[in-house]
Amino acid sequence: NAGVTQTPKFQVLKTGQSMTLQCAQDMNHEYMSWYRQDPGMGLRLIHYSVGAGITDQGEVPNGYNVSRSTTEDFPLRLLSAAPSQTSVYFCASSFRQKGAPEAFFGQGTRLTVV
Amino acid sequence: KQEVTQIPAALSVPEGENLVLNCSFTDSAIYNLQWFRQDPGKGLTSLLLIQSSQREQTSGRLNASLDKSSGRSTLYIAASQPGDSATYLCAVTSGGGADGLTFGKGTHLIIQP
Repeated sequence: NAGVTQTPKFQVLKTGQSMTLQCAQDMNHEYMSWYRQDPGMGLRLIHYSVGAGITDQGEVPNGYNVSRSTTEDFPLRLLSAAPSQTSVYFCASSFRQKGAPEAFFGQGTRLTVV
Repeated sequence: KQEVTQIPAALSVPEGENLVLNCSFTDSAIYNLQWFRQDPGKGLTSLLLIQSSQREQTSGRLNASLDKSSGRSTLYIAASQPGDSATYLCAVTSGGGADGLTFGKGTHLIIQP
């Protein structure tokens, strides 16, 4: 199994450009989520989804959009990139199971906005 | 709002020592607690997950405990090795596990050969 796959691994954007960070999982997990990791701030939740067609905002959603049209994919869109969005982005997924769903993470996308 | 704190922020010990990493959380109504390892420039690797009804979990040289009522968890690493050098992250979930993880800022661990 590939697990959680994020593309691209690295990206440089100019201020005002748009892009989509891709996240795909092949474990048939219902729950998916996006985080950003910044020095001194730790990982913070951006958006999450409990299933296809259902998304919700996390702690730091401003400047980001998401959609979940399939169980496998959960793309994160930056509509107009800003230098404050320079960060490392992680996607995670987990089962909606009775008990304690263990979260699995992708390898991250390192984004620089200049 | 849930807040997770990890102490110490950094730790350097000689190889072979046993060590304890601490994690505390402000809201005891958690669904589970998960410990992760992160190597520089890499993603997060899950080490141990403790359900809210459990007291501890073990995997090899790692043992994680949970005291939900006091809002604390510890990660015990036995007989540390240079390969254990990494950042260790603690995270909690609430709401049945559906609404994402709240992370601490991590403990940066260095094991000296």
